[in-house]
Amino acid sequence: NAGVTQTPKFRVLKTGQSMTLLCAQDMNHEYMYWYRQDPGMGLRLIHYSVGEGTTAKGEVPDGYNVSRLKKQNFLLGLESAAPSQTSVYFCASRGIGAGLSFGPGTRLTVT
Amino acid sequence: SQQGEEDPQALSIQEGENATMNCSYKTSINNLQWYRQNSGRGLVHLILIRSNEREKHSGRLRVTLDTSKKSSSLLITASRAADTASYFCATDAYNNNDMRFGAGTRLTVKP
Repeated sequence: NAGVTQTPKFRVLKTGQSMTLLCAQDMNHEYMYWYRQDPGMGLRLIHYSVGEGTTAKGEVPDGYNVSRLKKQNFLLGLESAAPSQTSVYFCASRGIGAGLSFGPGTRLTVT
Repeated sequence: SQQGEEDPQALSIQEGENATMNCSYKTSINNLQWYRQNSGRGLVHLILIRSNEREKHSGRLRVTLDTSKKSSSLLITASRAADTASYFCATDAYNNNDMRFGAGTRLTVKP
């Protein structure tokens, strides 16, 4: 099993550009999450999903959109990137009542 | 917000000593989880304690949970240099499936 994978691993964007981060899991987990982590900080929840076709806002949802069209995939979109969105983005998934399995992260720089 | 808050923010000890980290939270929970993050990497799930449990062990890890005080502690016994990492708690809140993290405790174990 690959676990949780994230694509891409690194990306540099110019202000105003858009992009989509892809998260995939092969563990048949119901719940999926997107977090961002700024240097020296903890993780902040952006959006999450409790099942295929559902999404919900977390702590810092502004400037991001998500979709969960398939159970195994959770996409995070940046419509118009801003320097404040420079961060490391982590995807995670879990089964009901279980711990989170994390992906390796995507390092995004917005110039 | 129901996220956990870790204390202390940073902890430096000698190899062989015990390390204790604390977590406080605000709402009713289904379970509380502890994670480790090595620099620049994704988080790794360490241990999960359910709301009806008071203590749990896993190897050199001991977790306690006091739901009346809304607090948990993580004890790492006989620490090793390889335990140097950031440690985070996360709460699986009752009636809410989002998983939120505190700012973490940065543990340094000196050889």
